[in-house]
Amino acid sequence: NAGVTQTPKFQVLKTGQSMTLQCAQDMNHEYMSWYRQDPGMGLRLIHYSVGAGITDQGEVPNGYNVSRSTTEDFPLRLLSAAPSQTSVYFCASFTPRLETQYFGPGTRLLVL
Amino acid sequence: AQSVSQHNHHVILSEAASLELGCNYSYGGTVNLFWYVQYPGQHLQLLLKYFSGDPLVKGIKGFEAEFIKSKFSFNLRKPSVQWSDTAEYFCAVKSSGSARQLTFGSGTQLTVLP
Repeated sequence: NAGVTQTPKFQVLKTGQSMTLQCAQDMNHEYMSWYRQDPGMGLRLIHYSVGAGITDQGEVPNGYNVSRSTTEDFPLRLLSAAPSQTSVYFCASFTPRLETQYFGPGTRLLVL
Repeated sequence: AQSVSQHNHHVILSEAASLELGCNYSYGGTVNLFWYVQYPGQHLQLLLKYFSGDPLVKGIKGFEAEFIKSKFSFNLRKPSVQWSDTAEYFCAVKSSGSARQLTFGSGTQLTVLP
């Protein structure tokens, strides 16, 4: 199993550009989530999904969209990037059976 | 809303010293508690978790944590740290049975001097 994979590893955007951060998992986990990590603030939940077709907002959802068309994939879209979105983004998958989250390697995003 | 506090932002220890990192949470219901570690340049890895039962839980790499319900605390300990323990440590909480994902503390950077 590859676990949780994320692409790209690093991205530079200009203010106003859009992009999609990809996340995939091959563990057939029901739940998936996106976090952003900023210095001194830990990880904050952006959006999460409890299954295909079902998503909900986390602590910091503004400026981000998500969709979950399959169990495996959970892309995060930035419609109009802002410098405040410069961060490291982690995707995670989770199964209630184990009550444990598995994290991807992260995407480092710089918005100029 | 639940929250997690990690009071030590940066801890510096010499090898073989004992470690205790504080974690306090605020939530009135039943919670699941976690400690994650992030080594430099790597993603988060689970150190240990507590759901129920024995409040003293043991994790990987010699780490352990004690859940004290009356103090809403879940402190991480290790009797003797190694240089390879240099990393950032995150405490996290999740409402038991809830679909909502983890709430993390702000993290503690541990630096172990050789």
